[in-house]
Amino acid sequence: GEDVEQSLFLSVREGDSSVINCTYTDSSSTYLYWYKQEPGAGLQLLTYIFSNMDMKQDQRLTVLLNKKDKHLSLRIADTQTGDSAIYFCAERTSYDKVIFGPGTSLSVIP
Amino acid sequence: DTEVTQTPKHLVMGMTNKKSLKCEQHMGHRAMYWYKQKAKKPPELMFVYSYEKLSINESVPSRFSPECPNSSLLNLHLHALQPEDSALYLCASSQESSSGNTIYFGEGSWLTVV
Repeated sequence: GEDVEQSLFLSVREGDSSVINCTYTDSSSTYLYWYKQEPGAGLQLLTYIFSNMDMKQDQRLTVLLNKKDKHLSLRIADTQTGDSAIYFCAERTSYDKVIFGPGTSLSVIP
Repeated sequence: DTEVTQTPKHLVMGMTNKKSLKCEQHMGHRAMYWYKQKAKKPPELMFVYSYEKLSINESVPSRFSPECPNSSLLNLHLHALQPEDSALYLCASSQESSSGNTIYFGEGSWLTVV
């Protein structure tokens, strides 16, 4: 079946690294995405990774994919207060179907 | 330009009203989506259009009726809604390219049913 899981809350100190984890069940997933949602706003695409890749780096963001364990992580280096938001992991399970995890609420302590 | 535009931003409607939500993208994307998001929950897929044809309907009640008049526009017609349908409705579009498959979302339409 199709299911995406994430831990619901994460709290880090400003300047530290944040690591948000995600697990998924569909082994046929082609793309995995990370979105950021701030209060009252839509979804901002942060980054994505193709399922045949292990890692992708984009400035402060590093995505790691362990396809064998169906585990995805997002590392945010030098976390800032502006990074406080809800982070959604999402998987593309078939040609056009994209489903989301429950979201991880990241709180950055100054 | 990675913009998906949704109107209106806010809508209040009665249970007997008929209204529509509109979505527009000019990126030439072939797929367009409607998602529903309740407070503190993830977006839930409702409909997907591919090349202007409905390709996915996630068993959505018939009081929600999607329409894709052309490749840039996507509408969601609303009729006889219930208060529990109050939510943020998000439109998205996507396209495959040599660099991958990206999905961009609009800012959403906040719907309140009274």
